[in-house]
Amino acid sequence: DTAVSQTPKYLVTQMGNDKSIKCEQNLGHDTMYWYKQDSKKFLKIMFSYNNKELIINETVPNRFSPKSPDKAHLNLHINSLELGDSAVYFCASSQTGGASTDTQYFGPGTRLTVL
Amino acid sequence: RKEVEQDPGPFNVPEGATVAFNCTYSNSASQSFFWYRQDCRKEPKLLMSVYSSGNEDGRFTAQLNRASQYISLLIRDSKLSDSATYLCVVTDSSYKLIFGSGTRLLVRP
Repeated sequence: DTAVSQTPKYLVTQMGNDKSIKCEQNLGHDTMYWYKQDSKKFLKIMFSYNNKELIINETVPNRFSPKSPDKAHLNLHINSLELGDSAVYFCASSQTGGASTDTQYFGPGTRLTVL
Repeated sequence: RKEVEQDPGPFNVPEGATVAFNCTYSNSASQSFFWYRQDCRKEPKLLMSVYSSGNEDGRFTAQLNRASQYISLLIRDSKLSDSATYLCVVTDSSYKLIFGSGTRLLVRP
């Protein structure tokens, strides 16, 4: 009965490959997010979707493409992986995405290592 | 200048100690304020929201000073299980979460 789940948990791949990370939430939330936590532990938002619609798109290379087939799922596809993409990627969800009282719930993270 | 700044620590304290973390933020238009906790190799989890009037949750007390753009977290009677990284988080006008890099706490027996 995990609230926010991600697969895979670990991903090791070669430079230049294309990979996807999947996220699902069973909380009935309207908004989902992707964050990147780099080696310096900074957690930065990449994308946010509300009801399948993109609402936040930070300055992220266009090799990163999020896709939300429905409001319970937000997947992240990365093309032409680079060494600098190595990080932990966290998915999160919140009820509305637009209220000061909105709490974000994070998935367990996907540790991506690009060799 | 980073949007949210924290002392990275680590703060190494004995069980039972009181420890305080501080955080400053640069955007005076920030809307909401939080402390999150992140255990090693785990996801961040909300510890508590922070209000101008200050708020307390058991052994944890959070304070916000909007004039100085400063947030604090006080932990009383530290437990071994409090060892973690504490992330100071603010939201901008679009409720986007802006995270600090965290302050690491180690509570020793």
